[in-house]
Amino acid sequence: AQTVTQSQPEMSVQEAETVTLSCTYDTSESDYYLFWYKQPPSRQMILVIRQEAYKQQNATENRFSVNFQKAAKSFSLKISDSQLGDAAMYFCAYRRGRSGNTPLVFGKGTRLSVIA
Amino acid sequence: KAGVTQTPRYLIKTRGQQVTLSCSPISGHRSVSWYQQTPGQGLQFLFEYFSETQRNKGNFPGRFSGRQFSNSRSEMNVSTLELGDSALYLCASSLQDSTNEKLFFGSGTQLSVL
Repeated sequence: AQTVTQSQPEMSVQEAETVTLSCTYDTSESDYYLFWYKQPPSRQMILVIRQEAYKQQNATENRFSVNFQKAAKSFSLKISDSQLGDAAMYFCAYRRGRSGNTPLVFGKGTRLSVIA
Repeated sequence: KAGVTQTPRYLIKTRGQQVTLSCSPISGHRSVSWYQQTPGQGLQFLFEYFSETQRNKGNFPGRFSGRQFSNSRSEMNVSTLELGDSALYLCASSLQDSTNEKLFFGSGTQLSVL
């Protein structure tokens, strides 16, 4: 079974600084997708960034970027120029790739605090 | 376009009762998935429906069931509630039938079992 591990239960960052959240996963599959979701106090899960395993290039979305190390099964999220609105729970998730929807497997999450 | 709507937002039940939660996906979305979120177990997949058919099911007891209607709205039911069923239940919808599809989540239903 696939597993996702987030080793940092809590992190904090100063406003405008950069922070990196860690994620490792375990799978024997070669075709899969990785995601970072943000869950603010509103409880709604919001997709931050997505990475296809077959792509060598790391995904970026504005201030958010990932460091995808396939051999090491590592998928970290870097948030640049942190803003107060970035404060939330962040979940790393894995999804096996095949036809049809497959469930997301989530890590336990990292609570990010942004200090003004 | 309206997002994923889950009702009710909060629910309090007692042990032994049953509960039904509702999820209205984004218009045009045919796939609806349900997840349970607890502080101890984190986020766990319950089941997924596509065009009224259950396609995937997580490792939950038979007390947890669901269905999807022809308009893609989905309900999940938990019978004989236990204290451990207290959780945030999240629903997510997607347009079609691909792992690469983006999932859109609702804000969840917070269920408390007393």
